[in-house]
This record gives sequence, C-alpha cells and structure tokens, in this order.
Amino acid sequence: SQQGEEDPQALSIQEGENATMNCSYKTSINNLQWYRQNSGRGLVHLILIRSNEREKHSGRLRVTLDTSKKSSSLLITASRAADTASYFCAYHGSSNTGKLIFGQGTTLQVKP
Amino acid sequence: DAEITQSPRHKITETGRQVTLACHQTWNHNNMFWYRQDLGHGLRLIHYSYGVQDTNKGEVSDGYSVSRSNTEDLPLTLESAASSQTSVYFCASSDRASGNTIYFGEGSWLTVV
Repeated sequence: SQQGEEDPQALSIQEGENATMNCSYKTSINNLQWYRQNSGRGLVHLILIRSNEREKHSGRLRVTLDTSKKSSSLLITASRAADTASYFCAYHGSSNTGKLIFGQGTTLQVKP
Repeated sequence: DAEITQSPRHKITETGRQVTLACHQTWNHNNMFWYRQDLGHGLRLIHYSYGVQDTNKGEVSDGYSVSRSNTEDLPLTLESAASSQTSVYFCASSDRASGNTIYFGEGSWLTVV
C-alpha cells in the first residue's frame, strides 16, 4: 500500500499548548496537503506544501516538508478547544494524477 | 456558493441488496472520487473519474461500481451489499484550477445488516 503513516495516532493537550503531528509517506510526491475532519463531517483542506518548499505558514498552522526523509509535520500553535478534530496528511504521487493518498490521521483533543 | 452534496446521508440496508449513493458537485470539477473511511484504515480510494465517461478503480474497488454520464454526478453503486461494506463514504472533487485540492462532501453513513 502507498498509504502514508501519521503519528501520533492520538494527541491530547491543554488549550494554549502547541500540537505537532507527523506524517511519513512512501513515494515521490508533487505536493503534500493537510486536511482537518471534525467529528461526523467531511474533510476540509488546510494547507498545501509543494515538493520544492520546506516550510509554509497559514495563520496558526506551520507545515514543514523534508523530501529526503519523506516526512512532513503540522504544527498548530496556541491551540484552542475548537481545534479538536482529526488531521490527515495527503499527497499526490509524482505523476500528479489528481488522486490523493491519505494517511491514517491523528486525532487531536484540546482540553479547555 | 459551489458545493458537493451526498445523499442519502444515512442508510441501513440488508445484505445482498443493491445500494446507490449519490454525489453531486457544482464546482464544475473534472475529477471526482469516492473514498471509504474505516477505523484503523483511514481513507481508502474506491473509484475515481477524470471526466465524463471516464472511470477508474481505486485500491478497494471490489463490490463497487461508478458511472460518469455528466460532469456534476458520480453515483456509487454497491452491487450486492455485504456487511464488510458498512462504512462512511465520502465523495470528493478537484481539478487543476483548484491546484488539485480536494473538496469533500459531508459523507454517507451506510450500515449493512
């Protein structure tokens, strides 16, 4: 399977703390994306980082990409209770067919 | 606003019955996808389409079929529902103009008894 792996599988922190989630993948990629899923809802796109980028920011989100290690991390700073959700990395293979391969996700709980 | 809608949102069916899950998008995207989501497996691709009359098998396509007769719709059919197909099903769409960012529907919860 080309499915990526994420760790930790579950993370519980206090409001105000930072949350870091990691993703490893198996193939060459064109870009890597992070998605968020609230309980009982569909996935929502958060941020995309291209294979020639090493770091990208969007509000309280910071994504890094290390193509030599085939890994990415998502950092959420100053977390809020509303950040409680599952987070998935997803990537296109180098052929960029439009088809995304998803990791298994990290479930984040932010306690007020 | 453009959107992607799935129906039904919840369904209970019996083993052996044919079931069709509908997906309709108003983004005018060429690419459409069906995923299933199960504990311990994350999201797995069932079928996908890059345009009208185009369909392709994903990694877990056995027991499922799709058809693409227009840009907006990609219905997913379970030919003979099995208990192993109890899952949450997500439809999604994308195209190059969106940077291949995928937009998801809200999901269809299917229980096969």
